[in-house]
Amino acid sequence: DAGVIQSPRHEVTEMGQEVTLRCKPISGHNSLFWYRQTMMRGLELLIYFNNNVPIDDSGMPEDRFSAKMPNASFSTLKIQPSEPRDSAVYFCASSSMFGETADTQYFGPGTRLTVL
Amino acid sequence: AQSVTQLGSHVSVSEGALVLLRCNYSSSVPPYLFWYVQYPNQGLQLLLKYTSAATLVKGINGFEAEFKKSETSFHLTKPSAHMSDAAEYFCAVSYGQNFVFGPGTRLSVLP
Repeated sequence: DAGVIQSPRHEVTEMGQEVTLRCKPISGHNSLFWYRQTMMRGLELLIYFNNNVPIDDSGMPEDRFSAKMPNASFSTLKIQPSEPRDSAVYFCASSSMFGETADTQYFGPGTRLTVL
Repeated sequence: AQSVTQLGSHVSVSEGALVLLRCNYSSSVPPYLFWYVQYPNQGLQLLLKYTSAATLVKGINGFEAEFKKSETSFHLTKPSAHMSDAAEYFCAVSYGQNFVFGPGTRLSVLP
């Protein structure tokens, strides 16, 4: 298995531009998570999907952030317009259920976003 | 709300010394518990997990953790630290569909 795939690995953009991060979860997993990691705030859960449906988006910072999961094998996280404070490493993770309990989350390598 | 606490945001040990990273959780239902490791510029990797079988769980790289229900703890240990163990370690708990990470502990290994 190729694991969770994220693209791009690095993104440098200017303030005000639209940024789209992409994620391909592990085949067969039915839950997908987007996280943001910074030195100041640590690891933050932004949103998670179960069976392609957004379950909890309370971690999404503001309306500039949006996430979609059009099918079981693809998800996007979009920032429009981007701001310097959005600079962070964004991780995607996927998992399945162990009975009725969430099982191990498998993380992608992350996208390092720099907004100038 | 369920939560995970990790005592000590930064722990330093000498090479060859015991590693002990602390994790306590709050959960009203039997949880599953996990330890992850993150090396610089990488994603999080699973070290080990507890899913209500044996209370002492062995993971990769010589790490192990013991589930103690009475103490609501899941501390991570390794008998002898190696320089390559320097990383950030995250404890996590899952209950139902929820999955919560602790704030992480950065482990430094001194020569």
